[in-house]
This record gives sequence, C-alpha cells and structure tokens, in this order.
Amino acid sequence: EVQLVESGGGLVKPGGSLRLSCAASGFIFSSYSMNWVRQAPGKGLEWVSSMTGSSGYIYYADSVKGRFTISRDNAKNSVNLQMNNLRAEDTAVYYCARGGSTHDYWGQGTLVTVSS
Amino acid sequence: EIVLTQSPGTLSLSPGERATLSCRASQSVSNNYLAWYQQKPGQAPRLLIYGASSRATGIPDRFSGSGSGTDFTLTISRLEPEDFAVYSCQQYDRSPYTFGQGTKLEIK
Repeated sequence: EVQLVESGGGLVKPGGSLRLSCAASGFIFSSYSMNWVRQAPGKGLEWVSSMTGSSGYIYYADSVKGRFTISRDNAKNSVNLQMNNLRAEDTAVYYCARGGSTHDYWGQGTLVTVSS
Repeated sequence: EIVLTQSPGTLSLSPGERATLSCRASQSVSNNYLAWYQQKPGQAPRLLIYGASSRATGIPDRFSGSGSGTDFTLTISRLEPEDFAVYSCQQYDRSPYTFGQGTKLEIK
C-alpha cells in the first residue's frame, strides 16, 4: 500500500525557517518524481516544487524560488522541503504528492502557519 | 502560466441528479494533459481523471471527463451522497502545473 506521511509543520515567525519531510512507502521511491503542493486556508491548490526520481531535475513555483529548496534521499525513501525566509502568505497545508504530472497519491498534509 | 478558471464556484444539487463542472484554460492544453481531483473537508485531494477523460484506478464509472483545447468538463452522472465535495482541475501540459480554484458541489 502506498503511503506518504508528512511531518515538520508548525508555527513560525515571518522570516523564519522550517523543514518539512515526507516519508514514503509501498512503492519504488526512486522511480517517481515527488512534489510539494500547498493549500492556503479556504483557497485552492498551488503546486510548490517537484523533483524527478533521479534528482536530475528540480522545479519551483515563482512564489517560492530562492527561498525553498527541495531534496530527496532515495535510500531513505524521503523527500524534504527546506523553507527559508517564510512569509505570511506561505501559511498553508503542505502536501507531499507522488507523480511527475498527475498526482496519484497524496499525504495527509502538514500545516505551516507563519505569524508573529 | 496557464490559468484555469472553474465554474460554477458552487453547485447545489440533490443526490441522483447529474452534475456538470467546467474548467476553462487561458491557453490551449496540449495532449489533453488535464486532470480532475476530488477533495473532502480535512482530506487530501484524490485523483479522479487524467488525460482529460481517463478514470484513475478505483474511480466509479459515474465520473467522466471530456473536452480538449481550452474547455474541459467533469460529469457525475448520478450523484451519490459521498460525491459532495470540492473538485479541482489541473493542467500538466506546461510548467508551472496549475490548478483551478475549485468548484464546491453541495447538497441542495
């Protein structure tokens, strides 16, 4: 059974940092691109970042470029999102999702709140 | 970037009725690289449709997708109580892979 479990969310002050992690199981992790998608309270979904299975290609939304860094450890079946210089508008539930185009499996999400 | 506009914002229907949800793209989506997701409160999105018209694994056949170019439709033939949720479209033709703002399907 495919499982994605996010962790690392919490309350952080503007300008602060957080590191999100997603632990994957139930599939050959290195064969899949992995993504972070977020959803601000009461809003729609917003793709944040993607990384291909071999880590050869990395993509970011313009809204996070230069502040967020995606990484993965295929030996540990995990993907991470280092978030620096956080802003109020980064407040959202962050989901880890599998798949380079459509996202066929999602984690339950982790809430990031940026507030003073 | 490709902007996806969904309509209506809210759709009020009764179980057993037919639901038709629209997703319009600001530019043509090549190869019908358009997906639909269902999301219930407090839950992660679930992939329903990919390639504009192919059902994902385990999705009932009352869900169908159609369209091409800039206009796409999700149809639920006969609404079941568990179908009341928010539905979002996503294009994966061109990065960034954008989502629509969602259509809330509520019980009338």
